[in-house]
Amino acid sequence: QQPVQSPQAVILREGEDAVINCSSSKALYSVHWYRQKHGEAPVFLMILLKGGEQKGHEKISASFNEKKQQSSLYLTASQLSYSGTYFCGTPNYGGSQGNLIFGKGTKLSVKP
Amino acid sequence: KAGVTQTPRYLIKTRGQQVTLSCSPISGHRSVSWYQQTPGQGLQFLFEYFSETQRNKGNFPGRFSGRQFSNSRSEMNVSTLELGDSALYLCASSQGQGDGYTFGSGTRLTVV
Repeated sequence: QQPVQSPQAVILREGEDAVINCSSSKALYSVHWYRQKHGEAPVFLMILLKGGEQKGHEKISASFNEKKQQSSLYLTASQLSYSGTYFCGTPNYGGSQGNLIFGKGTKLSVKP
Repeated sequence: KAGVTQTPRYLIKTRGQQVTLSCSPISGHRSVSWYQQTPGQGLQFLFEYFSETQRNKGNFPGRFSGRQFSNSRSEMNVSTLELGDSALYLCASSQGQGDGYTFGSGTRLTVV
């Protein structure tokens, strides 16, 4: 079941904050976050594991609500380099691994 | 260390032909996953390999196949190409459970 991301797109000015949400219809054991810039490959940002363990980016934070089956990515004091499409991915068969199913992405544009 | 290497970067093929794409994962990564990315469908999972065994397969027709070699390098093959197979094909490797994916730059396949 593909996770659902919201919003689909957001435009920010440098220095503003943004929140990107990822929801699943089934129990989540882990959530991955990736950013893809135009013409480039997706880049790993962060993984959140059931139990609270978090691995990844120092400047970007995220939350993982197991009960609500959702995760949120927090981009604070955005920079031009934050522009890109953000994807969340969840394991298809439960657990912390198994192939990832990705949401359709949230396109973030940061303007000067 | 070297990243995930995909070859070739670009391919133009004719309908009905077949194509083989190659992926060399990061040294030490035993898990390799393949994704098809298109503007309309986003990142769609094709297959996942671990230690030469296909662990998971996405919802693609049998024309799409893959394999993994003992050195963890992986190939995917698409036979009887259709126009709709035009896409960016991404390979991702990981160390295993609970770790993020590292994506290659992809192979841009155009079917004419």
